[in-house]
Amino acid sequence: DAGITQSPRHKVTETGTPVTLRCHQTENHRYMYWYRQDPGHGLRLIHYSYGVKDTDKGEVSDGYSVSRSKTEDFLLTLESATSSQTSVYFCAISPDRARETQYFGPGTRLLVL
Amino acid sequence: GESVGLHLPTLSVQEGDNSIINCAYSNSASDYFIWYKQESGKGPQFIIDIRSNMDKRQGQRVTVLLNKTVKHLSLQIAATQPGDSAVYFCAETAPGGSYIPTFGRGTSLIVHP
Repeated sequence: DAGITQSPRHKVTETGTPVTLRCHQTENHRYMYWYRQDPGHGLRLIHYSYGVKDTDKGEVSDGYSVSRSKTEDFLLTLESATSSQTSVYFCAISPDRARETQYFGPGTRLLVL
Repeated sequence: GESVGLHLPTLSVQEGDNSIINCAYSNSASDYFIWYKQESGKGPQFIIDIRSNMDKRQGQRVTVLLNKTVKHLSLQIAATQPGDSAVYFCAETAPGGSYIPTFGRGTSLIVHP
């Protein structure tokens, strides 16, 4: 998984509770991404980061926020989880000199009841 | 081919056969393509990439063919093995901007022993 870990790997939570997912990389890459994967859809970008404290929105960013205080960590927060956010979440990184090549972490399965 | 609904297209082959998985991409300006393999419960794994200045690229047991005229990409797997069973999807990236790829929904490959 290209030096990427995600935690937790599985999470069950209730509607309305906050949830934070963590992505940790050991590659020292600038670019990090959060995706969600749902049946019937390809991977959809939630947010991405191009450096410490530099982030931008993806196509499905509503209801999500991110933070990057260190190069190695990229956090995804669901401020108030909803059932529509039940999904598998993947973090990805890309090398600075090959930004279009993304390598993925193992994923976090989130169930919002 | 790409899925148009919840269920992925499925390709079933016998062990030892050659497999061909197809992908129709959407943006004629895309100039970089990746094939990913995703096993059940795991993150997408980079298999092989190709740039638009090439028609063919070979890796270990895999070959990617690019037909820019009809915006079509294929992945050929030689001597398919049970361990090749997975979902395969393509990603395309257009030059400029954020270098963020667009992902297809994938094809499920089932290899029968």
